[in-house]
Amino acid sequence: AQSVAQPEDQVNVAEGNPLTVKCTYSVSGNPYLFWYVQYPNRGLQFLLKYITGDNLVKGSYGFEAEFNKSQTSFHLKKPSALVSDSALYFCAVRVLSLYSSASKIIFGSGTRLSIRP
Amino acid sequence: DAGVTQSPTHLIKTRGQQVTLRCSPISGHKSVSWYQQVLGQGPQFIFQYYEKEERGRGNFPDRFSARQFPNYSSELNVNALLLGDSALYLCASSLQGPLDSNQPQHFGDGTRLSIL
Repeated sequence: AQSVAQPEDQVNVAEGNPLTVKCTYSVSGNPYLFWYVQYPNRGLQFLLKYITGDNLVKGSYGFEAEFNKSQTSFHLKKPSALVSDSALYFCAVRVLSLYSSASKIIFGSGTRLSIRP
Repeated sequence: DAGVTQSPTHLIKTRGQQVTLRCSPISGHKSVSWYQQVLGQGPQFIFQYYEKEERGRGNFPDRFSARQFPNYSSELNVNALLLGDSALYLCASSLQGPLDSNQPQHFGDGTRLSIL
């Protein structure tokens, strides 16, 4: 089955330290991968995507993610965390139907990132 | 430019009732998708519409239906509401169709539906 996994429900980091939010995926074919962030009572905001090309993708607010095909992972990273980075983060993958011109986005269960001052 | 707008922001219904949620995509976006986000979980895909046609459907019962209008706005309808339908319903729009959807989706702030 095609899926996305975020193994950590919560990640706690001190401000100024590097952070990593983990994501692994299982899809057929080449994956289109995305990271979104959700603040309380808001919709999801796009951070970055991997379609093809360089395995290190840079996105909004200083975030980056590394695509690793052999490990089927797409971990989100930031060199120096800010308190304002505290939010809920979702990894997602686009899945194509084998039998129709349809696609859908599958989201992980989310990781709550908490940055302490 | 306005982002994706959803209405209403909050809604309270009772079991067995019917509800209609509305979504206006970003100007120029022709694809609209609907998601259900239950508290503590990631969004679950319900439908995708592109150029007024259904292009994808998630694992939801037939009580859920949707449509897209000529101006690309969309409605999600849920009949015979159950307690388990309580969730945040998110609408997302994108510029391209499903086969070209390497572009990110832009989300509205959602409609919070509570079933009593």
